[in-house]
Amino acid sequence: AQSVTQLDSQVPVFEEAPVELRCNYSSSVSVYLFWYVQYPNQGLQLLLKYLSGSTLVESINGFEAEFNKSQTSFHLRKPSVHISDTAEYFCAVTNTGGFKTIFGAGTRLFVKA
Amino acid sequence: ETGVTQSPTHLIKTRGQQVTLRCSSQSGHNTVSWYQQALGQGPQFIFQYYREEENGRGNFPPRFSGLQFPNYSSELNVNALELDDSALYLCASSFGFGGIDTYTDTQYFGPGTRLTVL
Repeated sequence: AQSVTQLDSQVPVFEEAPVELRCNYSSSVSVYLFWYVQYPNQGLQLLLKYLSGSTLVESINGFEAEFNKSQTSFHLRKPSVHISDTAEYFCAVTNTGGFKTIFGAGTRLFVKA
Repeated sequence: ETGVTQSPTHLIKTRGQQVTLRCSSQSGHNTVSWYQQALGQGPQFIFQYYREEENGRGNFPPRFSGLQFPNYSSELNVNALELDDSALYLCASSFGFGGIDTYTDTQYFGPGTRLTVL
């Protein structure tokens, strides 16, 4: 069975500081990995994904995540956060069979001025 | 290009009632997945429909059922509502490359339907 663990439920950080949101997964099969962001009262938006190839993936708004197979991790990083990055972030895995996506419990990123 | 839409936005029901939630998939997509997101938790996979057939199911009882129509829109039906069914229900559409056990591309989520069961 697959599972996703997001190690921090809340991460407070000051504006322009770097941030890392941690995600570990377990799976007996190959997986695809995703980060989604959810703003208040909205659905989920895909931030970035790892399917294959380069283990470092980037989003258009400055986030990046690195797939580490040996540590079964897919941590999300941003070198300098903005107030507008305040949101809930979810890590997710899908088995390469593709039909079932497992989400972590989420990490609330709170960016302070 | 029209995104994923869901209706209604909010819904209040009482225990024992039945509810139907609707989802219109994004243009060009043939797969819809439904998720339940309880307050403060991540989304939990309910089931997925690919080209009008159920393609996989999570750990939800049979009173959670669904349909997918020829235009690939979808419905989620929940019978005999319980208090614990109160949650945000999300649908996500994607393009599937094949049948069962075949990878589907990136999922695009709708804004959700907030269901409250009293």
